Amino acid sequence: KNEVEQSPQNLTAQEGEFITINCSYSVGISALHWLQQHPGGGIVSLFMLSSGKKKHGRLIATINIQEKHSSLHITASHPRDSAVHICAVLHSTDSWGKLQFGAGTQVVVTP
Amino acid sequence: KAGVTQTPRYLIKTRGQQVTLSCSPISGHRSVSWYQQTPGQGLQFLFEYFSETQRNKGNFPGRFSGRQFSNSRSEMNVSTLELGDSALYLCASSWALGDTQYFGPGTRLTVL
Repeated sequence: KNEVEQSPQNLTAQEGEFITINCSYSVGISALHWLQQHPGGGIVSLFMLSSGKKKHGRLIATINIQEKHSSLHITASHPRDSAVHICAVLHSTDSWGKLQFGAGTQVVVTP
Repeated sequence: KAGVTQTPRYLIKTRGQQVTLSCSPISGHRSVSWYQQTPGQGLQFLFEYFSETQRNKGNFPGRFSGRQFSNSRSEMNVSTLELGDSALYLCASSWALGDTQYFGPGTRLTVL
């Protein structure tokens, strides 16, 4: 069983809508990453966070360490947000470089 | 500053062969990690190197090996290829352990 669970698996939104992707994990972590993968494979790291909230442009990431839950919000979604969004965790006892990944959320934003 | 580069981008091999993939990190980055991505298993951690030392290894058979050179460039090798090794192999680099990782475009390996 994957210790990192993402929901939903797929999400379709119209341009301009607010999107939320959720990530839950089962054991303690030292940090959580949100990654974005576009068709063709390239991965971009959106956020790395260990507490609270971070914002970059239209993207907001939050984490609740006590509830073992993180959310990625996309405000005013745009077709270029269409990608697989992946949550990945670093466990407390593991090396910084060893990420454990969720299955990803396929986001499609239509014009 | 140039990003992470991986060569080759695409590779086709047959079962039983071996393959070497190369990763050049962003200049100044000393940490390099390798990941395998398949439709069935998703992304899985392979190795992590820092200053030429393997810091961690994922749950992969001994056919998968790697190394890091003094200039931080890294290679991974897969021997006795199996059909199930067909995947996108991604490398990521960071300045130090714990910093944000920057991913390369990946090498798509197809084993026939």
